Amino acid sequence: GEDVEQSLFLSVREGDSSVINCTYTDSSSTYLYWYKQEPGAGLQLLTYIFSNMDMKQDQRLTVLLNKKDKHLSLRIADTQTGDSAIYFCAEKPGGATNKLIFGTGTLLAVQP
Amino acid sequence: KAGVTQTPRYLIKTRGQQVTLSCSPISGHRSVSWYQQTPGQGLQFLFEYFSETQRNKGNFPGRFSGRQFSNSRSEMNVSTLELGDSALYLCASSVTGPNNEQFFGPGTRLTVL
Repeated sequence: GEDVEQSLFLSVREGDSSVINCTYTDSSSTYLYWYKQEPGAGLQLLTYIFSNMDMKQDQRLTVLLNKKDKHLSLRIADTQTGDSAIYFCAEKPGGATNKLIFGTGTLLAVQP
Repeated sequence: KAGVTQTPRYLIKTRGQQVTLSCSPISGHRSVSWYQQTPGQGLQFLFEYFSETQRNKGNFPGRFSGRQFSNSRSEMNVSTLELGDSALYLCASSVTGPNNEQFFGPGTRLTVL
């Protein structure tokens, strides 16, 4: 089945680390993505991870993938007020398609 | 390099009307996908086009249709608009390749009155 779930809300203080979690159900997923959406804007691709990887680091972002548990997380180090946004994880099923299945989105609020 | 552009950015229509939304992908991108975003249903896949062919379709009624032109630009059409069609419609483009990174446009905000 196709289902991606995220917690709805996360509040952190500026300078702390944020960890946003995501669970998915499709074991045939090839790539998993993290997108950021600011108010009134489209989706900005932050990073992605191939399904045979465990971890990927990209500057302040660290993605961890536990394929056995179908669990994905995004860690943002030294969170800034500009990181306040909605974060979506998305999975790309296997096969010749670019279709993405998105999670429900997590609203990250960064307190100064 | 210019990003994905969508026109119009905002649109107000009344029930029963039809609407056409346009998406111009990043130069060189041949794949275009459309998504509907609503507070209740979140982000839902509408359809995907590659080289003028619909490659995949989401679970939406036949009132929703689309097409892609030879220059990769895409349009989507919604006929007989309903109040529930009010949403942000997002277009994404990508090259063909193993990771298929998709780049999204700013969206068209459709309000149906």
